[in-house]
Amino acid sequence: QVQLQESGPGLVKPSQTLSLTCTVSGGSISSGSYYWSWIRQPAGKGLEWIGHIYTSGSTNYNPSLKSRVTISVDTSKNQFSLNLSSVTAADTAVYYCARDSPRYCGGDTCYYASDIWGQGTMVTVSS
Amino acid sequence: EIVMTQSPATLSVSPGERATLSCRASQSVNNNLAWYQQKPGQAPRLLIYGASTRATAFPARFSGSGSGTEFTLTISSLQSEDFAVYYCQQYNNWPRTFGQGTKVEIK
Repeated sequence: QVQLQESGPGLVKPSQTLSLTCTVSGGSISSGSYYWSWIRQPAGKGLEWIGHIYTSGSTNYNPSLKSRVTISVDTSKNQFSLNLSSVTAADTAVYYCARDSPRYCGGDTCYYASDIWGQGTMVTVSS
Repeated sequence: EIVMTQSPATLSVSPGERATLSCRASQSVNNNLAWYQQKPGQAPRLLIYGASTRATAFPARFSGSGSGTEFTLTISSLQSEDFAVYYCQQYNNWPRTFGQGTKVEIK
């Protein structure tokens, strides 16, 4: 079965770039029609969708973070990545990667929900 | 951006009792509404999608209903393993948005 695992530094300095990788195992990241997502959760708070990348490489980002976010995919390594630039303490959170699979398709449009999640990785922004 | 509002923030329920959680969208999301269960220290798990379709890993005591802007998650008879935080999420529009969560705690 498909599993996801986040990796990356647990501590990032303010103004620097947060970089995380999600490794997909048990299946190919380039097969099927999936989006690959990043979601974060500050301690004790709710979930915030950061953005996702389609198998083809097309992306959608949360407008609140769009100027600082880049999501990319490396099919040769079966990984996708998150870069978040100019971080501040407000970016301290648990970061999750997830697979979005189509749950309903009508006409030319499919609608996707996050059905498989990584365990999450804690990232602290501090000097 | 579609704002998702969940109520109540906390629900205190005795084991065996029924729990009803609500989720409201600021505009129609059709049936593109998911519920996730999150336990402490764990990632969320997809519980319901399409507003009413239960994920295979979850028992039949979980059910979802609603469409458009008003949605409900019902747990018919709470078991100890059901005490958790539940989030709704719309996946009809970008950006995807979550409700703030409802914590179901033991009464």
